[in-house]
Amino acid sequence: AQSVTQLGSHVSVSEGALVLLRCNYSSSVPPYLFWYVQYPNQGLQLLLKYTSAATLVKGINGFEAEFKKSETSFHLTKPSAHMSDAAEYFCAVSEDYGGSQGNLIFGKGTKLSVKP
Amino acid sequence: NAGVTQTPKFRVLKTGQSMTLLCAQDMNHEYMYWYRQDPGMGLRLIHYSVGEGTTAKGEVPDGYNVSRLKKQNFLLGLESAAPSQTSVYFCASSYSGSGIAKNIQYFGAGTRLSVL
Repeated sequence: AQSVTQLGSHVSVSEGALVLLRCNYSSSVPPYLFWYVQYPNQGLQLLLKYTSAATLVKGINGFEAEFKKSETSFHLTKPSAHMSDAAEYFCAVSEDYGGSQGNLIFGKGTKLSVKP
Repeated sequence: NAGVTQTPKFRVLKTGQSMTLLCAQDMNHEYMYWYRQDPGMGLRLIHYSVGEGTTAKGEVPDGYNVSRLKKQNFLLGLESAAPSQTSVYFCASSYSGSGIAKNIQYFGAGTRLSVL
């Protein structure tokens, strides 16, 4: 069965500092992996998606994530945090059942705070 | 560009009352989903639909019913609301074909429901 573990329910960084949000997954087949962001009182927006074309995936707002199969990880990073990055971030996994739709399994989320 | 629209945005119910949440998407997506979001729990799938006239149970379906009479609409019903159903409900839709958009879910802004 698929599962997603996000280490740390809350992460706090200073403005300009590196952002690192951790995500580990379990999947019996090569997965699709996603990071979504949720700003206060809004729905989820896609940050980036891994599809096996490249292990380093670039997303919106300067975020990127690296797929490491040996570590079953898909950590999200941003070199320099901005106040506007304060939000909750969700990692999600989906399996591809021979071309049919796979539902998303979400992690519990990591709330990012950015201090001035 | 409406995307996924949820109505209502807020609702307060008394225990035992019923209500229907409406989700509408204008992207011609085959797949639609209902999630609930509770603090520290991430998003949990309630029901989903892979096409007009078809629905299926997700992770937490008890106490909810759904209908997909039209491709663009996905309704979530609570027949007899309970305080445990106090939550934020999100609808999402996704593309059913192959390619870069595969498995990407697009979310509505959410419905905040309180059951007293």
